[in-house]
Amino acid sequence: KQEVTQIPAALSVPEGENLVLNCSFTDSAIYNLQWFRQDPGKGLTSLLLIQSSQREQTSGRLNASLDKSSGRSTLYIAASQPGDSATYLCAVRQDFNKFYFGSGTKLNVKP
Amino acid sequence: DAGVTQSPTHLIKTRGQQVTLRCSPKSGHDTVSWYQQALGQGPQFIFQYYEEEERQRGNFPDRFSGHQFPNYSSELNVNALLLGDSALYLCASSVEDTQYFGPGTRLTVL
Repeated sequence: KQEVTQIPAALSVPEGENLVLNCSFTDSAIYNLQWFRQDPGKGLTSLLLIQSSQREQTSGRLNASLDKSSGRSTLYIAASQPGDSATYLCAVRQDFNKFYFGSGTKLNVKP
Repeated sequence: DAGVTQSPTHLIKTRGQQVTLRCSPKSGHDTVSWYQQALGQGPQFIFQYYEEEERQRGNFPDRFSGHQFPNYSSELNVNALLLGDSALYLCASSVEDTQYFGPGTRLTVL
């Protein structure tokens, strides 16, 4: 069974810092990996989707990489802002239509 | 273009009761997935519907059932509610790879 782990569970940084969030998965037979943002008590907002054949995707200050063979993905956030404070979740798609989420990294960016 | 909508926003039930949650997908999306998110945890995949059929199912008991209508909207039904069913229930719609999530329904079982 696929297990998705996110480290660290929580992170607090000063505004302007560059930071990296980690996601690891146990079974490398995935279709894709998606990063989401979740604000307290709200639904999920898709940030980046990386297909299994891709190595990275970029959107604005966000860059996500995927190393399928080692079962790892990272989300890089450049020049962090207080508005980036949220929980960040990664999810892998497997068996065509099964999705497995990590427990998330709760990010706090201090002004 | 409206995104994914869910109703109700909040719901309080007692043990043993039954509940129905509703989801309207994003326009043009034919696939709907349901997730359960306990406090402090990531979402757990319940099942996915496509063309009114359950296409894939996660590790949830038969107390959890669903339905998809011809207009692609969907319902999640939970019977014989347990205290452990208290969670945020999320619906996501998709047409290809990217999933778009609704705001969720917060279910509290007393």
